[in-house]
Amino acid sequence: SQQGEEDPQALSIQEGENATMNCSYKTSINNLQWYRQNSGRGLVHLILIRSNEREKHSGRLRVTLDTSKKSSSLLITASRAADTASYFCATPHSGGGADGLTFGKGTHLIIQP
Amino acid sequence: SQTIHQWPATLVQPVGSPLSLECTVEGTSNPNLYWYRQAAGRGLQLLFYSVGIGQISSEVPQNLSASRPQDRQFILSSKKLLLSDSGFYLCAHRDKPPYGYTFGSGTRLTVV
Repeated sequence: SQQGEEDPQALSIQEGENATMNCSYKTSINNLQWYRQNSGRGLVHLILIRSNEREKHSGRLRVTLDTSKKSSSLLITASRAADTASYFCATPHSGGGADGLTFGKGTHLIIQP
Repeated sequence: SQTIHQWPATLVQPVGSPLSLECTVEGTSNPNLYWYRQAAGRGLQLLFYSVGIGQISSEVPQNLSASRPQDRQFILSSKKLLLSDSGFYLCAHRDKPPYGYTFGSGTRLTVV
């Protein structure tokens, strides 16, 4: 069954605005990861947040994790046209994830110039 | 640094033909390796993973198989392709802590 579910499925905003994407999951986790995929390309790891962390920053990215609500959010500040991509959250199948990640269906983000 | 190579980038194959997709990793030893498939507009589905040479775990029953003949080589195969095997195939390996994954550039397979 789908572990991570992102919403919205699609998001279109103006360049310079902030973009927020959400992810919900079902089972207990020890970390949650966010990935970006440009059209027709492989996935790029953006950020990993551990279950004992509530917020993490990386450049213009801010990720939050609420384990009580089993949800996470990815905020991209001051969006740029190059941020146009699909964004996926992923959780380990079990434990640390040696047996793989489960991905949501993704949020397709379009940044209008 | 670690890099992951995947080829070919695109492939068009007739129904019933065999398949062999190769993935190799550089810059690391004894990596955990993974094959994912992404159908159009969908998320990624884990197909196989391997924690070592000759060790393959299958996540879903299907028309595909995987092999790991060498430490840094992971191969996805099929004896007879089906139309439903079309999709975007991605190879990945799990990095050292904090354990993000690095993906290859993918192979777009179209079965006709």
